[in-house]
Amino acid sequence: GAVVSQHPSWVICKSGTSVKIECRSLDFQATTMFWYRQFPKQSLMLMATSNEGSKATYEQGVEKDKFLINHASLTLSTLTVTSAHPEDSSFYICSAPRTSWQETQYFGPGTRLLVL
Amino acid sequence: DAKTTQPPSMDCAEGRAANLPCNHSTISGNEYVYWYRQIHSQGPQYIIHGLKNNETNEMASLIITEDRKSSTLILPHATLRDTAVYYCIVRSSPNAGGTSYGKLTFGQGTILTVHP
Repeated sequence: GAVVSQHPSWVICKSGTSVKIECRSLDFQATTMFWYRQFPKQSLMLMATSNEGSKATYEQGVEKDKFLINHASLTLSTLTVTSAHPEDSSFYICSAPRTSWQETQYFGPGTRLLVL
Repeated sequence: DAKTTQPPSMDCAEGRAANLPCNHSTISGNEYVYWYRQIHSQGPQYIIHGLKNNETNEMASLIITEDRKSSTLILPHATLRDTAVYYCIVRSSPNAGGTSYGKLTFGQGTILTVHP
């Protein structure tokens, strides 16, 4: 069964609005979660690393003020796309490593965002 | 983390073995080979990983060459539901620490199409 969930699974919003996406680890605690973005026919690109209790670490070229990340608990990270524009339309996916020495990562089902 | 090279696409008949190659000629001693797959419009799914020994689980087998410069993912009896993009990823052991801890860098992967 799924071990990482995302909500919502899809969202349509108007340009200029903000959208919050939740990522939850269902049966394990995750001090670190990762946020990816995937455009059509492209591979996943890491956006940022979400750290519980501290600031997120953003990849080069990702605007931290536009993509706000909050990791307030050991099972929840949120990504807020602020002032969304059509070019932000994408498939957003989170992942979390289950705590084990081999650190297999589990991915959420993804959230499809369409900005009109 | 070392880069990987995979063929962009492959076909396989249902019921036959699917052998997906991956080149990672710059792999270093503490880097593992991971395989994930992504079925259309879903989050990636972990398949298998290994360091230098061949590995097998309920999903697949992973064959790593003795020099570790390449590997092959084997789906022994492919089904239509195995149609997906398969990603070969090389990354450092979690115990290596450093800023790359936990990150997965996705390449373009191999689009595997299983046909009846």
